[in-house]
Amino acid sequence: QVQLVQSGAEVKKPGASVKVSCRASGYTFTTYGITWVRQAPGQGLEWMAWVSVSSENINYEEKFEGRLTLTTDTSTSTVFLDLRNLRSDDTAMYYCARGTAEYDYWGQGTLVTVSS
Amino acid sequence: DIQMTQSPSSVSASVGDRVTITCRASQDISNWVAWYQQKPGKAPNLLIFSASSLQTGVPSRFSGSGSGTNFTLTISSLQPEDFATYYCQQANSFPYTFGQGTKLEI
Repeated sequence: QVQLVQSGAEVKKPGASVKVSCRASGYTFTTYGITWVRQAPGQGLEWMAWVSVSSENINYEEKFEGRLTLTTDTSTSTVFLDLRNLRSDDTAMYYCARGTAEYDYWGQGTLVTVSS
Repeated sequence: DIQMTQSPSSVSASVGDRVTITCRASQDISNWVAWYQQKPGKAPNLLIFSASSLQTGVPSRFSGSGSGTNFTLTISSLQPEDFATYYCQQANSFPYTFGQGTKLEI
């Protein structure tokens, strides 16, 4: 069965970086893109970025340009989200999801808390 | 960026009711819309893609319609498990923005 398994919760100080992983299984990894979506506490969904695993094309939401990097490791079917220079408003649940236009499988979410 | 405006932001309904949620795009997005259901503490669940295509395994009481800038999600007969928050999302052009959500309450 298709699964996306994310790394565990993180607590970071302002200015630090966080790296969240999303390991896929149950399907051919290079067939689908991976999208990252975050959700601040009590708020809606925010689209962050997408990577085409097969071509390594990446598209970032402009507000994250310069702070956000997606990388892929096809040997382990894993996508990594690296967010730098963390601020308190980066506190959120971070989800990876399979797909480009629509997202049919989601990871369980990784809570990133930014606090001094 | 394309803005997706959902209405209402919240709605109260009862089991058996028919409910419609609307999403308006700030520009023509053809049929590039998906709808998701999210329950507290859970990841979103895909209901509808390409504006009107029902995702596998989703009950047929859910339906989607629309094209261009106006889209609707309809639940024909509310069941207890349908009380949740619903989001639309456009996939016409990056960034693939979400609506602000509609909370469906008893």
